[in-house]
Amino acid sequence: NAGVMQNPRHLVRRRGQEARLRCSPMKGHSHVYWYRQLPEEGLKFMVYLQKENIIDESGMPKERFSAEFPKEGPSILRIQQVVRGDSAAYFCASSPNGGPHSSGELFFGEGSRLTVL
Amino acid sequence: GENVEQHPSTLSVQEGDSAVIKCTYSDSASNYFPWYKQELGKRPQLIIDIRSNVGEKKDQRIAVTLNKTAKHFSLHITETQPEDSAVYFCAAPFNTGKLIFGQGTTLQVKP
Repeated sequence: NAGVMQNPRHLVRRRGQEARLRCSPMKGHSHVYWYRQLPEEGLKFMVYLQKENIIDESGMPKERFSAEFPKEGPSILRIQQVVRGDSAAYFCASSPNGGPHSSGELFFGEGSRLTVL
Repeated sequence: GENVEQHPSTLSVQEGDSAVIKCTYSDSASNYFPWYKQELGKRPQLIIDIRSNVGEKKDQRIAVTLNKTAKHFSLHITETQPEDSAVYFCAAPFNTGKLIFGQGTTLQVKP
């Protein structure tokens, strides 16, 4: 059973370009979470999705950022018109269970490291 | 608000000593408290977790204690080894089921 797969592992973009980060959850997992980690900082929650639904996007910046988890295919985190401050590691995690106060392990991918020049 | 506070931010111990990291959370309805370890350049991985119906859980050199009344939980590592050096994160779930992480503790174990 493959783990959570993220690609690309490394992405370099110039200011103003778009970045698309993809996440395939573990088999059988229908809950996906995206976190951002700045160098030497913690894991900041961005968005929680279930298949075809955004459950909680309270951590997403109001502009330029969007996320989806379609019925078929991976979850996508999209950053439009990137700025230098978007440079970070973006981690995706998945779980088989979700919902209010769910108690279950999150399995993390290896992360996508975005560098904005 | 949705908050998990973690202390200390850095911790340096001699090999063989114990290390303790503490976290507090704001949502009294939280019922699951995991600890993740992240080595440099790697993904976070679960090392131990505890559910709200128990006060303590142990796994070899690692233990976690929970005080639901005070809304805090702690990670204890005994007989530390150099390979324990990493960043440790506590976390707690909030309303919609999202997991909120503490700020992280960088543990350095000196040989």
